[in-house]
Amino acid sequence: DGGITQSPKYLFRKEGQNVTLSCEQNLNHDAMYWYRQDPGQGLRLIYYSQIVNDFQKGDIAEGYSVSREKKESFPLTVTSAQKNPTAFYLCASTSNRGRDEKLFFGSGTQLSVL
Amino acid sequence: SQQGEEDPQALSIQEGENATMNCSYKTSINNLQWYRQNSGRGLVHLILIRSNEREKHSGRLRVTLDTSKKSSSLLITASRAADTASYFCATDAGSARQLTFGSGTQLTVLP
Repeated sequence: DGGITQSPKYLFRKEGQNVTLSCEQNLNHDAMYWYRQDPGQGLRLIYYSQIVNDFQKGDIAEGYSVSREKKESFPLTVTSAQKNPTAFYLCASTSNRGRDEKLFFGSGTQLSVL
Repeated sequence: SQQGEEDPQALSIQEGENATMNCSYKTSINNLQWYRQNSGRGLVHLILIRSNEREKHSGRLRVTLDTSKKSSSLLITASRAADTASYFCATDAGSARQLTFGSGTQLTVLP
């Protein structure tokens, strides 16, 4: 089955702790994205990567970090600098090879603060 | 930044009725896309309409685009309880293929 896998489904963060959300895709997609979704709201872009070893900040990158060492993987770290991390986090990917690309999403990670 | 804004924020209809959701945006776009999200899940792509298209159909879905008014509508015909979900429009206006999402319409279809 081709798709995007996010893990864990639920994650809890203690004060001052860094946590890492996993995102893996086997769709052979070049571009990957991280979005944050707050209750009743739309998606806001945190970071995106169009190619291995390169990534760009989105609209709300402060307090987050990413890496793109492999095409299949785009982990997101929520650092202690992110003071309001409770949200639903969505990873997505697209082939990045033509116009009119649509996004494929993972099933999300709900992050809560203890 | 949020570009698309959906209207209404919430919509409740009876099964078998049609549901119409609207999206407005601010800048020029390459295309506009609609996505569906079931509660606690990821988004699923429904349909894409290009800036040079005015209407598009896919099954029970009909999308229109009016670039002069910078608006789009999504019509779901003969709705079913399983259509209950949040629906988001997303505009593609940047060279980096970033999609900008609206805040969504929560559709509830009552059996």
